[in-house]
Amino acid sequence: ETGVTQTPRHLVMGMTNKKSLKCEQHLGHNAMYWYKQSAKKPLELMFVYSLEERVENNSVPSRFSPECPNSSHLFLHLHTLQPEDSALYLCASSRRVNSYEQYFGPGTRLTVT
Amino acid sequence: GQQLNQSPQSMFIQEGEDVSMNCTSSSIFNTWLWYKQDPGEGPVLLIALYKAGELTSNGRLTAQFGITRKDSFLNISASIPSDVGIYFCAGLYNTDKLIFGTGTRLQVFP
Repeated sequence: ETGVTQTPRHLVMGMTNKKSLKCEQHLGHNAMYWYKQSAKKPLELMFVYSLEERVENNSVPSRFSPECPNSSHLFLHLHTLQPEDSALYLCASSRRVNSYEQYFGPGTRLTVT
Repeated sequence: GQQLNQSPQSMFIQEGEDVSMNCTSSSIFNTWLWYKQDPGEGPVLLIALYKAGELTSNGRLTAQFGITRKDSFLNISASIPSDVGIYFCAGLYNTDKLIFGTGTRLQVFP
């Protein structure tokens, strides 16, 4: 498998559920990112990891909890979400942190009911 | 904070037509990027621009870095159905912040 993969591709969860999104990159990159994409809004950067260390957290609510166990894997743990958290969650990776050449995964379409 | 305004928001064109879209900001950017997002996929980098005035092509796509460093343009010539998607501009601000525009949605009719 090549590039950046994300699972699941679609997720429907209730507000009291706990779920996790997974991202894996097979590019040997050192930086990984979580973005939120809502309709008619710019991509919002949520978290940045460089070599498994979180280097940026853009005022994201604590109901979103990232985890980066190694440079190839990135998780986003979700709990007690709100309906307005429904969006496409995109993972990306790059050779170094904040490099412009970011490679995106296909995203997880999340619906919170 | 920094903001990128893309226009138009959406375009509906006939196959074979040329397309123009732009991205503007009140801030100066050091690098301009153009991404395309196909339905159900993540964005893919199309063109990167590094210097004011730079004009770069990638097949039927041509992009320019505005002289003022506050804008960029993307042109697609002789559009085809697979050009359908959302085109995003992104600017690199202060060399470490990548800011995305709101996107231009392109529909191509045969």
